Amino acid sequence: DTAVSQTPKYLVTQMGNDKSIKCEQNLGHDTMYWYKQDSKKFLKIMFSYNNKELIINETVPNRFSPKSPDKAHLNLHINSLELGDSAVYFCASSQERIQNTEAFFGQGTRLTVV
Amino acid sequence: AQKVTQAQTEISVVEKEDVTLDCVYETRDTTYYLFWYKQPPSGELVFLIRRNSFDEQNEISGRYSWNFQKSTSSFNFTITASQVVDSAVYFCALRRNAGNMLTFGGGTRLMVKP
Repeated sequence: DTAVSQTPKYLVTQMGNDKSIKCEQNLGHDTMYWYKQDSKKFLKIMFSYNNKELIINETVPNRFSPKSPDKAHLNLHINSLELGDSAVYFCASSQERIQNTEAFFGQGTRLTVV
Repeated sequence: AQKVTQAQTEISVVEKEDVTLDCVYETRDTTYYLFWYKQPPSGELVFLIRRNSFDEQNEISGRYSWNFQKSTSSFNFTITASQVVDSAVYFCALRRNAGNMLTFGGGTRLMVKP
């Protein structure tokens, strides 16, 4: 059973489109995240979310928005896609109440904007 | 502000050699957590180890060992008798006590040749 799963694994779309990436975790964790990995492999936090608080990295454009229908899901919506949005997006989860738990990552979604 | 530096962008070794991956971090927090993740060519992020700032004991797990030195703000990772399957990008990461988001280093690409 996959702990953190993302769909789709690959996404190719045209500039200007709106797209979503889905993420689900079956670990019972209370906090979920989205990270972006650029072409140089740099990993950067985009959002951290639990049922109380959304923390947004201030460098993330407001075209990106996380949506959480319930504790087990955190989807990423991207409006008006741009070429620079091409990257690998990773979803992750962890248990916040136990501070030193590691984050478990999904397999990543490779987004290509053409 | 937090920062993680992995000065070695790429390392190439021959199978069975030992190799050490360096990680230096910066934080003003007195309590924090350090992690290593492995990203094999298949792309997923695999958790390897976490270390609390108040626990400076070194750790060994099979061929892997970690050397945490608070005095030099370093958390280095050594692979003994490297194997081709160790070829991957390795990331060091830091998390504050207050909050769960990870700050990643730039990664070190390790290539183990047969």
